[in-house]
Amino acid sequence: KAGVTQTPRYLIKTRGQQVTLSCSPISGHRSVSWYQQTPGQGLQFLFEYFSETQRNKGNFPGRFSGRQFSNSRSEMNVSTLELGDSALYLCASRPSDRFYGYTFGSGTRLTVV
Amino acid sequence: QKEVEQNSGPLSVPEGAIASLNCTYSDRGSQSFFWYRQYSGKSPELIMSIYSNGDKEDGRFTAQLNKASQYVSLLIRDSQPSDSATYLCAVNGNNDMRFGAGTRLTVKP
Repeated sequence: KAGVTQTPRYLIKTRGQQVTLSCSPISGHRSVSWYQQTPGQGLQFLFEYFSETQRNKGNFPGRFSGRQFSNSRSEMNVSTLELGDSALYLCASRPSDRFYGYTFGSGTRLTVV
Repeated sequence: QKEVEQNSGPLSVPEGAIASLNCTYSDRGSQSFFWYRQYSGKSPELIMSIYSNGDKEDGRFTAQLNKASQYVSLLIRDSQPSDSATYLCAVNGNNDMRFGAGTRLTVKP
C-alpha cells in the first residue's frame, strides 16, 4: 500500500516568489492536513481538508492557502515568500474519522533565500 | 498556555531502562491521543494511540491516559539505542490534531 507522497522533496525559492506543494494521500484516506515544522516552533498546524472542503485552519497568515481535489490529492500554496517560511512542510492523511492517527509523508524542505 | 505541553528534555536513559515521557493538554473536549516517534531527518511515525482512561500496551510501549488530569504518558520498557528519537504527543480536538514540541530521548548503550 503506497504511503503519503509529497512532491517536491526539496525546493529553493527567492523571497517574494510563490510556491505550490503537492500531496497524494494514502488511497481511501479522505482527510488531509498540512503542518509546518521548524526547529524553534515544532509542528504547527496549517489546515485540514476533507472532501474538498477546508475543515479547520491554524494561525497562519492568508499567504498560506490550500485546496483538495476530488481524488483527495491536496496542494498548498504560499505566496509572497518570506525568509521565515523556510521550513519542512509535512502533509498527513487519515481516514475520515478523527479517532484515527495521521500518516505523514516525507515532507517538502523549503528554503527561502 | 500551550495546547499540548511536553517535557522538552532531553531525556537520557541507559539501555534496558524504562523511559517515561509525559504530556499535558488544555482542551478538555479532546477525545483521541497519539504518540509519534520522529528520527532525525525523518517524518513523524505513529506508534501509539489511546482513547480511554487507563493503560494501553503494545510490545515494549505503554500509553497511559488520565482525562480528569488531562495527562498522557508513554512508557518505553527495555529501552534500546534504536529508540533514540524525538517523541511527539498529539491530541485531537475539533477535527485538527495539535502536537507538543516533543521530547528528545537518548538511550545510551
